[in-house]
This record gives sequence, C-alpha cells and structure tokens, in this order.
Amino acid sequence: NAGVTQTPKFRILKIGQSMTLQCTQDMNHNYMYWYRQDPGMGLKLIYYSVGAGITDKGEVPNGYNVSRSTTEDFPLRLELAAPSQTSVYFCASSPGQGPDNEQFFGPGTRLTVL
Amino acid sequence: GNSVTQMEGPVTLSEEAFLTINCTYTATGYPSLFWYVQYPGEGLQLLLKATKADDKGSNKGFEATYRKETTSFHLEKGSVQVSDSAVYFCALRVGSSASKIIFGSGTRLSIRP
Repeated sequence: NAGVTQTPKFRILKIGQSMTLQCTQDMNHNYMYWYRQDPGMGLKLIYYSVGAGITDKGEVPNGYNVSRSTTEDFPLRLELAAPSQTSVYFCASSPGQGPDNEQFFGPGTRLTVL
Repeated sequence: GNSVTQMEGPVTLSEEAFLTINCTYTATGYPSLFWYVQYPGEGLQLLLKATKADDKGSNKGFEATYRKETTSFHLEKGSVQVSDSAVYFCALRVGSSASKIIFGSGTRLSIRP
C-alpha cells in the first residue's frame, strides 16, 4: 500500500491564481481530511469528508473548496490564491471516526503564494 | 474551548539523554490524547495514545501518561537515539466527531550523535 499520497510536494503561486492539491489513499478509508499548518502553529482542519459525495467544513474553510467523487480521491481547490494561504497542507484518511481510528497522513504540500 | 499547549522547540539533546516534551490541554468533556511524530519529508504518524485518565500510551520506547488532575500528557523517553530526530505533535480529540481533533504547534527534536 502506498497509503496517502499528495501532489505536488511544492508549489509557488501568484496572487489570484488557482490550483488543485491532489490527495489519494489506497486503504479504502471512508474518512478523509485536509489540514493546513502555518509556521509555529498546530494543524487546523480545512474540510473533511465522511464518504464519497459527502463533505463538510472544518475550522478554516474560507478560500477553499473540496469534492469527493470517489472513495480514493479528495482534492482541495484554491480558486483565488492569497498570501494568507501560504502554508503546508496535509491530507489524511481514517477508516472511521472516534479515538480508536487512527488518521494516516500524507507527506504534505508546501505552498507559497507571492 | 479546547486547546493544546506544548513545549516550544527546538529541543536539542545528545544521544542517550532523557527526553521530556511537555503537553498540557484544556477540554470540555473527556478527551482522548495523542502524540504524533513527523520524520523529515514524511507525513504525521500516530506514535501513541491514551483514551482515559491514568492510561499510559507507549510505543518505540516513548511513553505518556494521561494525567487528568494536571491536564497533562507529557512525552518521555529514557534514552534517545539520532533516529528520534523529528517533530512531535500533541493532540486531543473530544467526542467521536471527525472534526474534533485539536493539534498542538509541534516540537522539533534534534539528537546529536
């Protein structure tokens, strides 16, 4: 199993550009998550999904969109990039919710908006 | 509200030294507590967890005890190795909701040979 994979690893955007961060998991997990980590801060939840076709907002959803058309894929879309979106983005998945369901994380995408 | 405060880094130790990384929390209800580790170039991995007061989580020589009276979950290891160099995150989860994991800011640990 590859686990959770994310592409790209690094990206530099100009203000106003758009991009999609890709996330794929091969563990058949129902739950998927997107987090961002700002320098010196903990991870903050952007969006999550409890299954294909179902998504919900997390703590910091503004400026982002997601979709979940398949169990495997959970792309994160930035429509109009802003410097405040400079961060490291982590995708994660878990088989269920609750403390006995470990979240498995991808290696992250480092995004810089100039 | 719910929050996690952990020791600021970076922390630099010599090989075989004793490690403590402090973590305290505030939470409504009865949280589950976690330590995650992120090795260079990789995603976060669950290191250990404890789901109720006085539970001790342990893995790879690391331990942490869920102390309700001091609202703490300090990470310890008796003898660190160079391979333990990583960033460590303390986290809590309240209830079973998928949206309720709160992470600390992370502590970078570097071990000198």
